[in-house]
Amino acid sequence: NAGVMQNPRHLVRRRGQEARLRCSPMKGHSHVYWYRQLPEEGLKFMVYLQKENIIDESGMPKERFSAEFPKEGPSILRIQQVVRGDSAAYFCASSLYTNSYNEQFFGPGTRLTVL
Amino acid sequence: QKEVEQNSGPLSVPEGAIASLNCTYSDRGSQSFFWYRQYSGKSPELIMSIYSNGDKEDGRFTAQLNKASQYVSLLIRDSQPSDSATYLCAGSSGGYNKLIFGAGTRLAVHP
Repeated sequence: NAGVMQNPRHLVRRRGQEARLRCSPMKGHSHVYWYRQLPEEGLKFMVYLQKENIIDESGMPKERFSAEFPKEGPSILRIQQVVRGDSAAYFCASSLYTNSYNEQFFGPGTRLTVL
Repeated sequence: QKEVEQNSGPLSVPEGAIASLNCTYSDRGSQSFFWYRQYSGKSPELIMSIYSNGDKEDGRFTAQLNKASQYVSLLIRDSQPSDSATYLCAGSSGGYNKLIFGAGTRLAVHP
């Protein structure tokens, strides 16, 4: 499978627990983006990462959310002490370039439900 | 606040007709625009990208960009029921590093 991979596809957490979402970009892509889609709303940018670097985290909530893209392994979006308002679909996208031809390809998403 | 605006719809067209989807944006610095299709419960799928003023055609799809009017559109010719989905318009921002999405337009193609 040469596409963007995300796991788990569905994640259920109780309030106060931690959620870890994983994303492996398309083969050859080194730019990773995370977006959140709340029910009946559009996609909102959260963070842009390259290997070992956070480039733009202007869309990340200041508290409880963090992201990383280590030298080896997938990108991780981590949500600590989840609350009901964190329930959403979290999509990862990757791109080959980061210039004006920045075509981003999305993974299948992780649907997080907070009980 | 940089925004991308779309009519939420639903836009209902008969099978075989042309569906016209529109989008306006506020950031004059945006250089690239993209149309994604999203079926219910699925992830966005890139269907068109456009970078220059004018038209770009790909099969049944034509994207149009007018930077002076800050307007992007997508035409779908010979619409099929399988085209029924939400269409998301997105513009690049922040040095191309992120996409700003509109809320999407729901398209319903009826037989």
